[in-house]
Amino acid sequence: TQLLEQSPQFLSIQEGENLTVYCNSSSVFSSLQWYRQEPGEGPVLLVTVVTGGEVKKLKRLTFQFGDARKDSSLHITAAQPGDTGLYLCAGPIYNQGGKLIFGQGTELSVKP
Amino acid sequence: DAGITQSPRYKITETGRQVTLMCHQTWSHSYMFWYRQDLGHGLRLIYYSAAADITDKGEVPDGYVVSRSKTENFPLTLESATRSQTSVYFCASSDLTSVGQFFGPGTRLTVL
Repeated sequence: TQLLEQSPQFLSIQEGENLTVYCNSSSVFSSLQWYRQEPGEGPVLLVTVVTGGEVKKLKRLTFQFGDARKDSSLHITAAQPGDTGLYLCAGPIYNQGGKLIFGQGTELSVKP
Repeated sequence: DAGITQSPRYKITETGRQVTLMCHQTWSHSYMFWYRQDLGHGLRLIYYSAAADITDKGEVPDGYVVSRSKTENFPLTLESATRSQTSVYFCASSDLTSVGQFFGPGTRLTVL
């Protein structure tokens, strides 16, 4: 069974600090995705990483896919209150069409 | 409006009643999904559909029924609502070429 474990589960930081969220698995994934969910809304896709070792940047967010394609990280530089939300990683379930397995999520709170 | 919509956004019902949650997407995506999101459990897949008239169970299908007579619609029915089905329900869609899913705004369901 493919599982994705995220850490930490909760993170409360001050504006301007840096942070890293981790998404780990014992299984190999063909790709991993990161979503952000704001209160009262559905998750929104931020990025998909496909190649082992790949690094993608989205403004102050940096996403990395592990060389072995078993893990991924999200690094936020100089966090802002607008970064507050639930961050979810997800990966396609092997040989199951478009189905995804989601991590439990990291609840981020950035205080001004 | 283009995108994926869910209705109603909020619903309160009583134990034993039948409830139908609606989901509509305008992208003609092949795949559609229903998830429930609960504290401590993250996003769990209830049912999914690969195309019109093709549906399959997800991780937590008991007590739910789906249909997909048209590509754009994917209603979820709780045949006899129970308190354990109190949750936030998200519909999502994706196409054959994209691994990422697009989520609706969610329906918050309370079963009294």
